[in-house]
Amino acid sequence: KNQVEQSPQSLIILEGKNCTLQCNYTVSPFSNLRWYKQDTGRGPVSLTIMTFSENTKSNGRYTATLDADTKQSSLHITASQLSDSASYICVVSSRSNDYKLSFGAGTTVTVRA
Amino acid sequence: GAVVSQHPSWVICKSGTSVKIECRSLDFQATTMFWYRQFPKQSLMLMATSNEGSKATYEQGVEKDKFLINHASLTLSTLTVTSAHPEDSSFYICSAGGWAWDGSGANVLTFGAGSRLTVL
Repeated sequence: KNQVEQSPQSLIILEGKNCTLQCNYTVSPFSNLRWYKQDTGRGPVSLTIMTFSENTKSNGRYTATLDADTKQSSLHITASQLSDSASYICVVSSRSNDYKLSFGAGTTVTVRA
Repeated sequence: GAVVSQHPSWVICKSGTSVKIECRSLDFQATTMFWYRQFPKQSLMLMATSNEGSKATYEQGVEKDKFLINHASLTLSTLTVTSAHPEDSSFYICSAGGWAWDGSGANVLTFGAGSRLTVL
């Protein structure tokens, strides 16, 4: 069973609207959680990285939250733009080896005009 | 900061030839590098993990003799697809993990832009 589960698998939203993506994990011991944006045919680009003690972190219109107790994270996109259409990937690192990474399957977001 | 350069971005080759893809960390020391492949509309699949100066650790099902990985320095790792066949056509992505050179102590994990391999 994958240690990082993302939901929904895909979603379609209208330009200007907000949306929230979910990431639940079972990775333990936890080191950090990263959100990446991957445009089609490109490598993933980092949006945020959060450690155990951080609850929220923003990067422009992207806001990530982390609840280390419930092992849940969310990525909120505010006032979506057409350029937000991409796959969003949640990656969790284990503290036993910071580069032992567990990948979520990603959420594909499509923003329509 | 924390830039990873991957080259070439796309390559077309004939079946049976070998192709080398380079992954360079430009402004940090990449103690660990990862190689992934990605099929259309699927998630990244880790192929192998390499630490500088040691042999790569391959994921189950990945042929180490077919996908040769070299991580000879803290800034360069290469993936060579040997005797490529059409089924090897895919999007290959590297990522590099290490510590920022700016003295911040920041732990970085950055992906390359990917290399599209098409084997005819």
